[in-house]
Amino acid sequence: AQSVTQLGSHVSVSEGALVLLRCNYSSSVPPYLFWYVQYPNQGLQLLLKYTSAATLVKGINGFEAEFKKSETSFHLTKPSAHMSDAAEYFCAVIRSNDYKLSFGAGTTVTVRA
Amino acid sequence: EAGVTQFPSHSVIEKGQTVTLRCDPISGHDNLYWYRRVMGKEIKFLLHFVKESKQDESGMPNNRFLAERTGGTYSTLKVQPAELEDSGVYFCASSHASGTQRTQYFGPGTRLLVL
Repeated sequence: AQSVTQLGSHVSVSEGALVLLRCNYSSSVPPYLFWYVQYPNQGLQLLLKYTSAATLVKGINGFEAEFKKSETSFHLTKPSAHMSDAAEYFCAVIRSNDYKLSFGAGTTVTVRA
Repeated sequence: EAGVTQFPSHSVIEKGQTVTLRCDPISGHDNLYWYRRVMGKEIKFLLHFVKESKQDESGMPNNRFLAERTGGTYSTLKVQPAELEDSGVYFCASSHASGTQRTQYFGPGTRLLVL
């Protein structure tokens, strides 16, 4: 079964500091990979996706993620955190022969002034 | 273009009652999905419609849950009778039919509390 591991359920960063959220997946075949964000009291919003094109994917709000097949990772980064980045972030995968998303447990980001 | 909408946004019911959640997908999206996040747990897949047909309902917890998608448009998810463990956030998502277009767009969710 497809599984997704997000390392760290909570991450706290200072405003202006690097945001790094880790995601590893288990799959013998590279799946489709996604990062979603949930702001307080809102639904899930797509940040970015990897679909076997470029390994470095740029998303909205200055976020990007790099697909590394050798490490089965798809870590999310943002060079400089903003207060508005405080939210819960989810890594998710879809196997190439499937349609349903498998989600990681989520990482809550807090940004300190 | 309107996004995925869900109704109601919140629902508080007593154990044993019935609740019906509604999802309107993005226009033109043949694929519709239901997911659920129970407090403290991961977001879990419930089922997948392609147009009006149930493609995969492997995630449905038990027979108290019934999903329908009449005419391949909006979908409803009914819980009857509701139990305490059904509390959580129910998300709906939709996507295009094409196999390469796997991106699912989510609605705001329905927050269900069973007392």
